[in-house]
Amino acid sequence: AQSVTQLGSHVSVSEGALVLLRCNYSSSVPPYLFWYVQYPNQGLQLLLKYTSAATLVKGINGFEAEFKKSETSFHLTKPSAHMSDAAEYFCAVTNGGNTDKLIFGTGTRLQVFP
Amino acid sequence: GAGVSQTPSNKVTEKGKYVELRCDPISGHTALYWYRQSLGQGPEFLIYFQGTGAADDSGLPNDRFFAVRPEGSVSTLKIQRTERGDSAMYLCASSASRTSQGGELFFGEGSRLTVL
Repeated sequence: AQSVTQLGSHVSVSEGALVLLRCNYSSSVPPYLFWYVQYPNQGLQLLLKYTSAATLVKGINGFEAEFKKSETSFHLTKPSAHMSDAAEYFCAVTNGGNTDKLIFGTGTRLQVFP
Repeated sequence: GAGVSQTPSNKVTEKGKYVELRCDPISGHTALYWYRQSLGQGPEFLIYFQGTGAADDSGLPNDRFFAVRPEGSVSTLKIQRTERGDSAMYLCASSASRTSQGGELFFGEGSRLTVL
């Protein structure tokens, strides 16, 4: 069965610093991978997704992620953090097989300090 | 346009009572998902529908939980004999295409259930 592991439940960065949120996946077949963001008091929304096309995926708000099969990773990055990036970030996986079940990680809370 | 709507936004009930949570998906979305999110955790899959039928209900924790989508649009999650451990945020999402083909889930703001 597929799963994702997010290392670091909390990440703190200064405004303008690099953001790196880690996600490793486990899947017996080529996966589809997603990053969702949850701002305070809002529903989850899609940041970006990997669906076996380009390995470097660009999303909204300047975020990007790179699919690395050899490392079973799909880490999320942003070159320069903004205060407005403070939120909870979730990595999710589906295995592209007969099921459309999307499995989420436990999340990483990003804090941005001025 | 309207997004996914969930009602009630907040529900407080007593242990042992019956609860219904409603989800109104984006018009035309054939897939509908229910997740449960406890404090400090990621969304935990419960069930998803493709049209009127439950395509995968493997995440329902026990037979006290049941969900329906009789006309392929609105869905209701039903919890019988509620327990304190059922307290959580219940999330609904809908999608126009299969996640196994890269389809995006659109989430509602959730229904927070508190069982006293």
